[in-house]
Amino acid sequence: TQLLEQSPQFLSIQEGENLTVYCNSSSVFSSLQWYRQEPGEGPVLLVTVVTGGEVKKLKRLTFQFGDARKDSSLHITAAQPGDTGLYLCAGERQGGKLIFGQGTELSVKP
Amino acid sequence: DAGITQSPRHKVTETGTPVTLRCHQTENHRYMYWYRQDPGHGLRLIHYSYGVKDTDKGEVSDGYSVSRSKTEDFLLTLESATSSQTSVYFCAISRASGVGTDTQYFGPGTRLTVL
Repeated sequence: TQLLEQSPQFLSIQEGENLTVYCNSSSVFSSLQWYRQEPGEGPVLLVTVVTGGEVKKLKRLTFQFGDARKDSSLHITAAQPGDTGLYLCAGERQGGKLIFGQGTELSVKP
Repeated sequence: DAGITQSPRHKVTETGTPVTLRCHQTENHRYMYWYRQDPGHGLRLIHYSYGVKDTDKGEVSDGYSVSRSKTEDFLLTLESATSSQTSVYFCAISRASGVGTDTQYFGPGTRLTVL
C-alpha cells in the first residue's frame, strides 16, 4: 500500500508550459520534502515544508503544504529543459523516517 | 556535495549468492539509511541506523541485514540474493535533529542485478 500517492507519474511538456505535480495521503506528516533526481544519481533535496498551508518558492518552483499536512503540490512556471528529471515527494513520519511517493518523471522538450 | 560513497556502483550476481553493499560517509552524521528504488515504487526504506551498532528495520527489510561497526560505514547484506532483489540501492545520511530538519543526503546508488 502506497501511503503517498504522487501524480502524474509521467509528464511530457513543451518548454515554457506550466505544470503541477501532486502528492496526496490520508496520513498526517510532520513535514513534506521534495527531491529531484537525475539519471544515475541520488535524489537531491529541493525544499522542506513544515507548517500546514506553508508556501515556499524556489525560483520558478512553488511548493505548497496542505492545511491538514496530508498533501502537497509542486508547481513549475515556464518549464525549461533543465527541469527534466524525476521529482519525488517524501513525507516525514515519527522518528524522522521518510515515506516516498512513486515519483513523477518530467520531460521538458525544447 | 555530502561525502557519501557507495561500492560497488554496479554488480551482477547469481541467485543464491551472498552480496554485500557498502556505504561510506565522511560527514560524521549519526543516521544512515538503506533504500531500494524500483519503477512505480519510489524509494522504500530497507534498514536504518541511528548509531554505531544501533539499527532497525524499515518497510521492506525481509531478506536483508545490516551492520554498522563504525560511524562512517553502513553495510547492507543480501544473505542469499533473489531476482526480486534486483534494484538500485541508495544509501543516505542525516543528522536527524528534529522535525523538518532531517535532511537526508543520498549517495550515487548501486545498481544490482540478480540473475
